[in-house]
Parts: sequence; C-alpha cells; structure tokens
Amino acid sequence: GAVVSQHPSWVICKSGTSVKIECRSLDFQATTMFWYRQFPKQSLMLMATSNEGSKATYEQGVEKDKFLINHASLTLSTLTVTSAHPEDSSFYICSARDDRGPYEQYFGPGTRLTVT
Amino acid sequence: DAKTTQPPSMDCAEGRAANLPCNHSTISGNEYVYWYRQIHSQGPQYIIHGLKNNETNEMASLIITEDRKSSTLILPHATLRDTAVYYCTGGGNQFYFGTGTSLTVIP
Repeated sequence: GAVVSQHPSWVICKSGTSVKIECRSLDFQATTMFWYRQFPKQSLMLMATSNEGSKATYEQGVEKDKFLINHASLTLSTLTVTSAHPEDSSFYICSARDDRGPYEQYFGPGTRLTVT
Repeated sequence: DAKTTQPPSMDCAEGRAANLPCNHSTISGNEYVYWYRQIHSQGPQYIIHGLKNNETNEMASLIITEDRKSSTLILPHATLRDTAVYYCTGGGNQFYFGTGTSLTVIP
C-alpha cells in the first residue's frame, strides 16, 4: 500500500527558532500534498495544499510567511514553522495523493511539535 | 462546500458489526464519499471510498443511500484495534474533516 513518512516524529524547540518537517511519499509520486494541524481532542484542520513546482495554497487564516511550504520534488514536501511560539505547539500531519489515482489521501504518522 | 454530520461517539461489542452513519446531504452528484480513521496520536488511515454503489474491501463495507445523502461504514467484526475516531468526508472537500465519530470497541 501507499506509504507516507514524516520526519521528525517529534521535536521540541525554543520560542523564536524555526523547525522544518519533512513529508515523503515512499512508493508513489505525489504532485499534490497536504498539511494539517491538529490540536488535542480536536479534528484535523487543513492548513495548506502543497503543489510540486509551484506555490502552496494556504487556507484562510493560515499565515504563509510563518508556515513555509516547499514541494521541490514529486516525493517530498517540507513545512517550516518560522519563529515558533508556544501557541504553535501542535500535531502536524501531512498527506499525499497518488498521481495515478484513485484520489484518496494517504497520511503520514504526524509530527508532534512542542515549543517551549 | 459539502459538509458531513456524524454522531460524536458510539460503542460496539467486540466481534459484532459496527455501523457508523454519516450524513452528507449537500454532496454533489459526482463527488465521492471517503472514510478515514485515526487511532490516538497517529496519522489518519484511509479506509474506503465510494460514489454511488456500495463498496467493500478488506477493511470495511460502505453502504451509500440511493439519494446519496447519507452513508454507513460497516466494520463487520469489530476488534479492540478498531477503537478510533472515524471521519467521513464529502466529495471534493475530502480535506475538510468534521468532528468524526469516536468508536469504542468493548471487550
């Protein structure tokens, strides 16, 4: 089956620093990947759609200058949380869709970010 | 946007069938229904999707009403490992997750 990996699985950083999270599709190509954020006991919230070779599309209310997305290849998208603050602490999850279809999402295992 | 409504929680006895309903009354005619589940502190897992016909795979069955306004996910023989939050999403908006149904399988 389709496998998506994320790295790191958890990270602790100090306030004001930046953190990069990688999302890889391991056995398929994904022109489009998605980034979600999930707070405790809440549902997933779509942050942005990442498109290979073009700019990401951000959901309303998500700061594009704070959450930098780069989709440099058909198997890798990265999310950089810049100048992190404690309120950015959350569970970040990526997903990818196989370019060959069908178009269900395959999710990574998530990255737990804690900003101190 | 297609929106979905699910009961917040359900219990099911181990070994019995778990039937999880979803209302998606605003779904468009050519939009798929997708089901995912999320076990605590993990990334969601794809389960099944369908358009009009009922679907079955190794994990579950999906029953879609003829008017496509609702669907039911069936786990035929629930196990303790099926305890999770189950999300249905509608159509082109499969990226917008509602609150889902928290299924607890009881020994």
